[in-house]
Amino acid sequence: EAGVAQSPRYKIIEKRQSVAFWCNPISGHATLYWYQQILGQGPKLLIQFQNNGVVDDSQLPKDRFSAERLKGVDSTLKIQPAKLEDSAVYLCASSLVDNQPQHFGDGTRLSIL
Amino acid sequence: AQSVTQLGSHVSVSEGALVLLRCNYSSSVPPYLFWYVQYPNQGLQLLLKYTTGATLVKGINGFEAEFKKSETSFHLTKPSAHMSDAAEYFCAVSAGGTSYGKLTFGQGTILTVHP
Repeated sequence: EAGVAQSPRYKIIEKRQSVAFWCNPISGHATLYWYQQILGQGPKLLIQFQNNGVVDDSQLPKDRFSAERLKGVDSTLKIQPAKLEDSAVYLCASSLVDNQPQHFGDGTRLSIL
Repeated sequence: AQSVTQLGSHVSVSEGALVLLRCNYSSSVPPYLFWYVQYPNQGLQLLLKYTTGATLVKGINGFEAEFKKSETSFHLTKPSAHMSDAAEYFCAVSAGGTSYGKLTFGQGTILTVHP
């Protein structure tokens, strides 16, 4: 089966610009997660979707980050405006349902200049 | 709330030697515990998981881990290291029950394998 697809793989922007990341989960997976992984740290959950509804966004900086999962399949994560501290790898993961292990994509590496 | 502490940000072993990566957790409810591996420029791959039942769990690539409730530990071992094991390893905990979601990860341990 095809894995979790993410694009772009790399993105370089200047601070205060906006950026968007795209994730296509494994077919049929109802649960989708976005994680932020800062260099030297473990991934931190930003938001969890169940189909097209938000289950948990308690750690999403809502003043600058937004995410949506229209139609319960693909998802986009947006940062506007970006700050230097947003430099990180953004990982998308999906699972069949909430009580199944998560499968991760290869991530998008974001560098803020 | 859950938390994970991985002891040692870097571990170096010789090929053929025992691999031991340490993980201690804190959880207010019976935890689910996971080990993931991350190769450079790739996402995380699940090595093994503990949910309930047998406390010694076996995973892929010859790795295993033992859940010790009294020590709040979930250390990862492999009897004989291979060059291909060089990667970063993450221990993670979730709230358990019916949920694998909301994983809390440790800081990671980079494993280096010398020939």
